[in-house]
Amino acid sequence: DAKTTQPNSMESNEEEPVHLPCNHSTISGTDYIHWYRQLPSQGPEYVIHGLTSNVNNRMASLAIAEDRKSSTLILHRATLRDAAVYYCILIGPNFGNEKLTFGTGTRLTIIP
Amino acid sequence: DGGITQSPKYLFRKEGQNVTLSCEQNLNHDAMYWYRQDPGQGLRLIYYSQIVNDFQKGDIAEGYSVSREKKESFPLTVTSAQKNPTAFYLCASSILPGLKETQYFGPGTRLLVL
Repeated sequence: DAKTTQPNSMESNEEEPVHLPCNHSTISGTDYIHWYRQLPSQGPEYVIHGLTSNVNNRMASLAIAEDRKSSTLILHRATLRDAAVYYCILIGPNFGNEKLTFGTGTRLTIIP
Repeated sequence: DGGITQSPKYLFRKEGQNVTLSCEQNLNHDAMYWYRQDPGQGLRLIYYSQIVNDFQKGDIAEGYSVSREKKESFPLTVTSAQKNPTAFYLCASSILPGLKETQYFGPGTRLLVL
């Protein structure tokens, strides 16, 4: 199974951009890159996903390297509400990927 | 409001007892999922269901059972065969079957063994 590697923790100042990296050197050509985030004692929340091209939505941007072996989640202006654990996961297109596992993610701390 | 509800928020289980965790969604989603999260860890897939009356085992199904008799409901039973059930349990759903689809998560149930 393709796996991802993320830093355990990161800190950022409030109202500054945040770049959260994810390495996935064994990604297959059809794996989607998904990002979720989880606040303490809550269920994860979908953030963004992409396949090859960079993606933007109201929450964040996703920059995908040309070789697809890494990606970066970009929060353009961090707020205290963005403090969470961010998970980068790879999901294949075929129905029935029973081995889906969220890794330990990156714990993002926002400094006021 | 549409969403996923899980109950109870906290659940206590005695040794050798079966307990059932509730998960209900009014999003009209076809697929539903159960995950387990241990302290400081990520999520692991227990079971998922693509459609009513159908479900498949995930990565860690041993000691758990599910049913999908109605589209909006996907209860999880933690049986006495599950030797280490203390964890945070999360239910999710997606519009279409397939784990590549965006999943919407409930607030979770924390299970503690007495």
